[in-house]
Amino acid sequence: AQSVSQHNHHVILSEAASLELGCNYSYGGTVNLFWYVQYPGQHLQLLLKYFSGDPLVKGIKGFEAEFIKSKFSFNLRKPSVQWSDTAEYFCAVNGGSYSSASKIIFGSGTRLSIRP
Amino acid sequence: DAGVIQSPRHEVTEMGQEVTLRCKPISGHNSLFWYRQTMMRGLELLIYFNNNVPIDDSGMPEDRFSAKMPNASFSTLKIQPSEPRDSAVYFCASSPRGNEKLFFGSGTQLSVL
Repeated sequence: AQSVSQHNHHVILSEAASLELGCNYSYGGTVNLFWYVQYPGQHLQLLLKYFSGDPLVKGIKGFEAEFIKSKFSFNLRKPSVQWSDTAEYFCAVNGGSYSSASKIIFGSGTRLSIRP
Repeated sequence: DAGVIQSPRHEVTEMGQEVTLRCKPISGHNSLFWYRQTMMRGLELLIYFNNNVPIDDSGMPEDRFSAKMPNASFSTLKIQPSEPRDSAVYFCASSPRGNEKLFFGSGTQLSVL
């Protein structure tokens, strides 16, 4: 069965600390991978995505993620977090076929709290 | 473009009542998804449509839940009868193609008393 696991439910960091949020997936075949962010009181928005090519993906606001196929992982990183990064982060995966719609499955989310 | 539009933003109802949530996807998008977000279960996919046709409704929790997409610009999610455990935020999202970036609406906060 398709699934996405996010290891940390709640992460608390101080400003300027480095961040890494774990994401592992279970999905047969080619995958597309996403990280979405939900700021307090707002709807989800795309942070970055991987479809193919360079496994190190750069996103908005200084975030990046690395696709490691052998580990079925797509961890999110940021070298120096800011208070404004306080949000909930969701990893998501779906099938890589462009022929039709496919399920986009989300992980349970990681709440990130940044201490000023 | 106004983005994905959901209504109402908040809905408070009593157990046993019918609830209808509405969604207008972004024009030109041919895939539409309904998700439910709760603290306990995170973001769950309920159902998705491609070209107005339901593709997978395996995430719909029970027969009390139903969803329709009568045309490319409108979808509804109905709960009848509603129960307190249905309380959650319900998000609609659309995509230009089903496996690409999702554009989310602002969600409907549903409280069933």
